[in-house]
Amino acid sequence: GAGVSQSPRYKVAKRGQDVALRCDPISGHVSLFWYQQALGQGPEFLTYFQNEAQLDKSGLPSDRFFAERPEGSVSTLKIQRTQQEDSAVYLCASSLTGGRYQPQHFGDGTRLSIL
Amino acid sequence: AQKVTQAQTEISVVEKEDVTLDCVYETRDTTYYLFWYKQPPSGELVFLIRRNSFDEQNEISGRYSWNFQKSTSSFNFTITASQVVDSAVYFCALRGESSGTYKYIFGTGTRLKVLA
Repeated sequence: GAGVSQSPRYKVAKRGQDVALRCDPISGHVSLFWYQQALGQGPEFLTYFQNEAQLDKSGLPSDRFFAERPEGSVSTLKIQRTQQEDSAVYLCASSLTGGRYQPQHFGDGTRLSIL
Repeated sequence: AQKVTQAQTEISVVEKEDVTLDCVYETRDTTYYLFWYKQPPSGELVFLIRRNSFDEQNEISGRYSWNFQKSTSSFNFTITASQVVDSAVYFCALRGESSGTYKYIFGTGTRLKVLA
């Protein structure tokens, strides 16, 4: 498809399990972002890639969160030893360049529920 | 510090009414960028409009219009003759020169319900 694709759409995991969330950005987009959106809140920045380089991970809430984009295209957000407060929608966005005036294009998100 | 405030948590209107969604921002940057996104129930954030801090020209696009006023740090969004399909959560977002890696600072969103 032409848009940002995220999978799975929904993920339910037990507390303590590891999860991996996938993002397939728009083809040719250099920049890729991950956001976390809690219920009733706006998205909050997690991390940013320019091609395969992770230039900013200041928003990752703990060292249990890890993101990678090894070939500068598909990205994976991994959460280890999940906790209930990790329950949220995880949004991926991409933009053509890193320019500040470039709009980010978002996927549908992965809704993560930790039991 | 940068901040976006959307004071209206939820607005309900009857179809065909006009509605304005408020956005107030804070930034110390002289160059910054403002965006509006729509989030329908499907969850995807849909880009609507962008403005840079040097462009205060207001814009009308169909039933949508935007009013950017630097003097009051506001970037408000109006829907004219609202329709049921406009029901969604609307987010205002800010990117400043000092944000480093171009991340968005989002407001908490305004949920718009348009009743038939």
